[in-house]
Amino acid sequence: AQSVTQLDSQVPVFEEAPVELRCNYSSSVSVYLFWYVQYPNQGLQLLLKYLSGSTLVKGINGFEAEFNKSQTSFHLRKPSVHISDTAEYFCAVSDTNAGKSTFGDGTTLTVKP
Amino acid sequence: EAGVVQSPRYKIIEKKQPVAFWCNPISGHNTLYWYLQNLGQGPELLIRYENEEAVDDSQLPKDRFSAERLKGVDSTLKIQPAELGDSAVYLCASTQRAGDTGELFFGEGSRLTVL
Repeated sequence: AQSVTQLDSQVPVFEEAPVELRCNYSSSVSVYLFWYVQYPNQGLQLLLKYLSGSTLVKGINGFEAEFNKSQTSFHLRKPSVHISDTAEYFCAVSDTNAGKSTFGDGTTLTVKP
Repeated sequence: EAGVVQSPRYKIIEKKQPVAFWCNPISGHNTLYWYLQNLGQGPELLIRYENEEAVDDSQLPKDRFSAERLKGVDSTLKIQPAELGDSAVYLCASTQRAGDTGELFFGEGSRLTVL
């Protein structure tokens, strides 16, 4: 069984400030890790993914995330946010064998001018 | 390359009426998923297809929900009869082969409102 906990349901931040969205997971098997973004009235699109190798992964729109195996975390960061980053962000884990994905409940990032 | 296409985008129906959603995955993607997304929550898997075979439908409420992917390409999800609690967004996603990298490609979703 796998589970994902996104520790903050809402994160308000001012434009050009740094941001971190926190994600913890649990799984009894090897997993891949993902962050997806969902803009209003749209589907989810991939921001970045960790499959193996370097624990720091870079994604689109200047986002990056760090995989920490000992803490079972995969926090998302951006050094300077823009108004256009306002969206819902979902952390997800996927079983490497079965391809079954489990999503967190999301974090609403609101960037204020 | 076209993405995952879903229709309709929005549907409003009275309770006890039937409703159907259609999904066309990315060309060449063998694995197709239907997810349910309630307001303020993440997507939850309803059913996963490998080609035309439903390989994981354990979360599909089979008393009122049904799905098919007859030719291993497009898929239909049906609810009959709909209940008030079915109001949600129904997301379709696809991937080339389950377990490859786990990355899912999502459609824009079908938002259902049951009155």
